[in-house]
Formats: sequence, C-alpha cells, structure tokens
Amino acid sequence: DQQVKQNSPSLSVQEGRISILNCDYTNSMFDYFLWYKKYPAEGPTFLISISSIKDKNEDGRFTVFLNKSAKHLSLHIVPSQPGDSAVYFCAASALRANFNKFYFGSGTKLNVKP
Amino acid sequence: NAGVTQTPKFRILKIGQSMTLQCTQDMNHNYMYWYRQDPGMGLKLIYYSVGAGITDKGEVPNGYNVSRSTTEDFPLRLELAAPSQTSVYFCASSYSGSTDTQYFGPGTRLTVL
Repeated sequence: DQQVKQNSPSLSVQEGRISILNCDYTNSMFDYFLWYKKYPAEGPTFLISISSIKDKNEDGRFTVFLNKSAKHLSLHIVPSQPGDSAVYFCAASALRANFNKFYFGSGTKLNVKP
Repeated sequence: NAGVTQTPKFRILKIGQSMTLQCTQDMNHNYMYWYRQDPGMGLKLIYYSVGAGITDKGEVPNGYNVSRSTTEDFPLRLELAAPSQTSVYFCASSYSGSTDTQYFGPGTRLTVL
C-alpha cells in the first residue's frame, strides 16, 4: 500500500512556462517532505524540502507548497528550462530522533520542450 | 570527490545464483541505505545502517543480507536470486538519519532470468 502517490506519470511543458508536479500522501504522521530529481543512468539528487511547520519553501526557480489538510504537496518550477527534463520523486517521512524512513512516490517524468 | 559509487552497473543473473552489489561512499557518512525501485513504483528501503557494525531491516528485506564492517562500504548480498528481485538498486548515504540529505549512487540494474 503506497503511502506516497504521484498520480501523473508524465508531464510535458513548454520552455519558460510553469511546471507543477503533484504528490499526495495518506499518513497524517508525515511531517517532513522532500523532492528529488533523477536523470537517466544517475541516482536521485536532492532538490528541495519542506517541514510541516511551513506551507511553502522556495529555492530559486523551485517552490514546494504543502497543504496538510489535503495531505498534498506540489513542486512548482518557474520558468521551466529544458535542463529540468528529468524524473521527479517526492518523499515523505515522520521525523524521529535517530532515523527517518522515507517513503517515495513513483515519480513524474517531466519533459520541457524548447 | 566520488560521492557514492556502486558496482556493477548492470548484471544478469540466473534463478538461484547469488551475487553481491557493492556500495562505497567517501563522505564519511554514518548512515547508509539500500533501496530498490521496481518499474512504475517508488523507491523502497531494503536495509539501512547507522554505523559500522550496525544494520537494520527496512520495508522489503526478504531475500537480502547486508553487512557494514567499515564506514565506507555497505554491500548488499542476494543469496538465491529470484525473478521478483529484478529491479534497479540504489545505495545512498547521509551524515545523520534525521533531515540530512541522502546522497545516492547511480544504481545497479539487475535482471534475474
């Protein structure tokens, strides 16, 4: 039973426009969320995070929004660039003192067209 | 700085064969992890280690074994390969197990026929 879901396997966006990637979770104990980016033949790399005490976190062109009541988070990329074409994974965890087990979504493949 | 390295990149095994997937990190991280990613699914945690000599099970440990004799190395052992273990395997490491970023290796694509 997947606790983190990314229901859109793929997304295509024109260069310069906004990309919005969505993620839903079922476990109300989750309080820390991450987005990872993955290029082919490489491992995932950390992109941005947000804790449940915030509803928004911004880093350059990337913004993550968290809606705790809806158990939903989204990643906005503005403006989208061809180099953003990759698979994006969201992950969620319930923070513990010594170890956080992260649950990953299945990923959304973003294609940014020039 | 190599980060997290994994070998081999690809491997085909026959049912019942065994193999070890190698993982090495050069960042002096305490925590190391093994994940698998099946097609259309998210990464699932197989095993993790909080330091040399200490390992624990993740979500999907059956059919695998690990050891952590040094800080740098965290090999994953498949004893009797089964088709259900066909997957892409990622090793990762982090300084702590809290909110520190996990750094991933490039993955090993394993096919069991």
